[in-house]
Amino acid sequence: DAGVIQSPRHEVTEMGQEVTLRCKPISGHDYLFWYRQTMMRGLELLIYFNNNVPIDDSGMPEDRFSAKMPNASFSTLKIQPSEPRDSAVYFCASRGSGGYGYTFGSGTRLTVV
Amino acid sequence: AQSVTQPDIHITVSEGASLELRCNYSYGATPYLFWYVQSPGQGLQLLLKYFSGDTLVQGIKGFEAEFKRSQSSFNLRKPSVHWSDAAEYFCAVGETYNTDKLIFGTGTRLQVFP
Repeated sequence: DAGVIQSPRHEVTEMGQEVTLRCKPISGHDYLFWYRQTMMRGLELLIYFNNNVPIDDSGMPEDRFSAKMPNASFSTLKIQPSEPRDSAVYFCASRGSGGYGYTFGSGTRLTVV
Repeated sequence: AQSVTQPDIHITVSEGASLELRCNYSYGATPYLFWYVQSPGQGLQLLLKYFSGDTLVQGIKGFEAEFKRSQSSFNLRKPSVHWSDAAEYFCAVGETYNTDKLIFGTGTRLQVFP
């Protein structure tokens, strides 16, 4: 298995632009999580899905953030418009129903200038 | 609400020395506990987990952790550290093994000197 695949690995964009981060979970995993990691706040859960349905989006910082999971093998996290304070590493993770912890992707490092 | 505290932000050890990273949790019932490691530029990798049973759990890369309910702790240990263990280590707690959400600690950065 290739693991959780995120793209792009690095993204540099200008303030005000739309940014889309992508994630392919492990096949058969029915939970998908989006986390954000910063020095100041550590790892924050933004949103998670179960069977493609958003379950808890209470961690999404603002309406500028949105996430979708159109099918079991793909999810996106979109920021529109982006701001410099959105600069962080965004991780996607997936988990099967067995509950044996998450498998994380390698992350997308986002820099908004 | 459940929470996780990793009191040590940064730890430095010599290669070959023993290691203990501290983790304290706050949760009323039996927690489900995890340790993850993050190498620079990488995602988090699961080292070990505790759900129930034997309070001493073994993980990958020679790590182990001990669950102590009386101290609300789940400390990570390794008898002899290798230079490749330099990384950031995260403790996490969930409500059940089928937890929907894990709460992560702020991490401990381990530096290893030759």
